[in-house]
Amino acid sequence: TQLLEQSPQFLSIQEGENLTVYCNSSSVFSSLQWYRQEPGEGPVLLVTVVTGGEVKKLKRLTFQFGDARKDSSLHITAAQPGDTGLYLCAGANQAGTALIFGKGTTLSVSS
Amino acid sequence: DAMVIQNPRYQVTQFGKPVTLSCSQTLNHNVMYWYQQKSSQAPKLLFHYYDKDFNNEADTPDNFQSRRPNTSFCFLDIRSPGLGDAAMYLCATSRELIRGDTQYFGPGTRLTVL
Repeated sequence: TQLLEQSPQFLSIQEGENLTVYCNSSSVFSSLQWYRQEPGEGPVLLVTVVTGGEVKKLKRLTFQFGDARKDSSLHITAAQPGDTGLYLCAGANQAGTALIFGKGTTLSVSS
Repeated sequence: DAMVIQNPRYQVTQFGKPVTLSCSQTLNHNVMYWYQQKSSQAPKLLFHYYDKDFNNEADTPDNFQSRRPNTSFCFLDIRSPGLGDAAMYLCATSRELIRGDTQYFGPGTRLTVL
């Protein structure tokens, strides 16, 4: 069974701090997606990374896909209260079609 | 705007009373998914449809059924809800069933079981 392990599970920081969330697996994924979910809403796609070593930036968010396509990270610079939410990574299984979700990182940014 | 719509946003039912959740999409996507998400956990895939072809996840209880009468609509039926079925139910769509195809999620229906 392919698993995606996310860490940390919970993160509570002050506005302006930087943070990194990790998504790791022992399996290779053809692509990884990052979603953000606000309370009471459905997940919203932030980015998809498909190439080993790929780095994508979305304003203050930087996403990286590991060279071996087994892991990914999300780095947020100067976090803001609006960044609060559940961050989910999801991988496309090479052998199948369903997305595999990590358990998520709950981020709380206080002002 | 093209989107995934779920109704109702909040549903309260009684223990053992059947309930149906609704999802519609204007994206004209081939694939529709139903997920169950409990508090601060990842979404758990229950089943999906590719067009009219139904694919049930191995660990989805028989209590959960689904119908897709046409491309736009998909329903989740819970035949006899238990207290453990209280959760957020998310509908999602994707254009195709290919690796990494983006899934678009609806806002979810929060189910409460009394």
